[in-house]
Parts: sequence; C-alpha cells; structure tokens
Amino acid sequence: EAQVTQNPRYLITVTGKKLTVTCSQNMNHEYMSWYRQDPGLGLRQIYYSMNVEVTDKGDVPEGYKVSRKEKRNFPLILESPSPNQTSLYFCASSPFPGSTEAFFGQGTRLTVV
Amino acid sequence: KNQVEQSPQSLIILEGKNCTLQCNYTVSPFSNLRWYKQDTGRGPVSLTIMTFSENTKSNGRYTATLDADTKQSSLHITASQLSDSASYICVVSSYNFNKFYFGSGTKLNVKP
Repeated sequence: EAQVTQNPRYLITVTGKKLTVTCSQNMNHEYMSWYRQDPGLGLRQIYYSMNVEVTDKGDVPEGYKVSRKEKRNFPLILESPSPNQTSLYFCASSPFPGSTEAFFGQGTRLTVV
Repeated sequence: KNQVEQSPQSLIILEGKNCTLQCNYTVSPFSNLRWYKQDTGRGPVSLTIMTFSENTKSNGRYTATLDADTKQSSLHITASQLSDSASYICVVSSYNFNKFYFGSGTKLNVKP
C-alpha cells in the first residue's frame, strides 16, 4: 500500500531534550516536506526537499533541522525543543517538485513541557 | 502577497442537509486548486483538483467550482452524512517555487 509513515504518532517531551520524528514514503517520490498545523493558522511549511541531499527552508524553519540521505526518508530533528514547538506535525511527499498533489502522513502530535 | 482564505471557519449542519464552503485566493501565477478533507487526528486527503480551465467538477456528493477571474472556489456537499464531519482545506499551487498555499480550513460538524 502506497503511504507516508510517521513515527511516533504522539510524543511528550521536556524543553531542551533533542528529538527526531521519522518520515518514510514507499512511493519513490522525489519531493518531501514537513508542516506544522496549529489552530487557526492552517498548515505551514517547515522544510522541504526536492531530492536526496537537497533541502531548503520553508516558511517557519527556526528551531528545526532536516536531512535527506535516502530518497524514502526525511526525518525532522528538534535539537532543543521549546514549548512553542508544541504542535501537530505532518510529513508529505509528492512525485516531483511542482507536482500538484501532496500525500500526507498520519501526523505526529508533539507536546513540549 | 499570496494568500488563501476560507470561510466559514466552522459550520454545523444537520445530517441530510447541503452546505457550501468558500475559498478565496490571491496566489499568482495560479497553477491549480485542490480541496482536501482532513479527519480529526489524520492527515489531509485530496478530494478534487481544479485547473484554470475547469469550472465545475464532481466527486460523488462533493462538487467543486472555480472562478479563475474572481479567484474564488467553492465546495458543495450534497445530502451530508455524519462521516462528512471533518476539516476541509483549500490548497492553491503556484508555478513559482513549486509551492503550495494552504487555507486555514473549514471545520464541518454534521449532526444527526
């Protein structure tokens, strides 16, 4: 089954403790991206990647890092999480940059206390 | 500034009734517009795509319209069902920078 898989689905952590949210897609898509979703603000892009070893900042990149060492994986790293990063996070993939459809993962609800 | 605005923010309707959700955008140059359905706690799933030359497109009980001149789109849901309860997100793509622009969504609650 074609899908985008995120882990974990839920995470509660403390301020400053480094964490990684994994994202994997099995559709051989070139384009992958991370979004955060907050009430009333909609989905905002954090980082995106057009292909292996090619990443770039989205609209709200501060406090986040990403890497794209393999085509299928696109982890999101929070080196020193803060409470304002409490949010619902989505990973998405598209067949290629400029493709009109994004396939979303199930989401990761992160709480930083 | 490229923006996508949706209205209303939230909507409550009775099962079996119809409703219409609105999306206005200022994105340019316009490539296409998609409506996504997002069930609570899940990722958005695409319902329909509208390109510049399309005015109306149906997907079962969902009918999307696009007026590229006024930069407005609507999603009409006919004979609503409890399973239609979800957030509906309008997403506009631009040819520039391979970018998606997201609306903040309309939260629909269908009550029995």
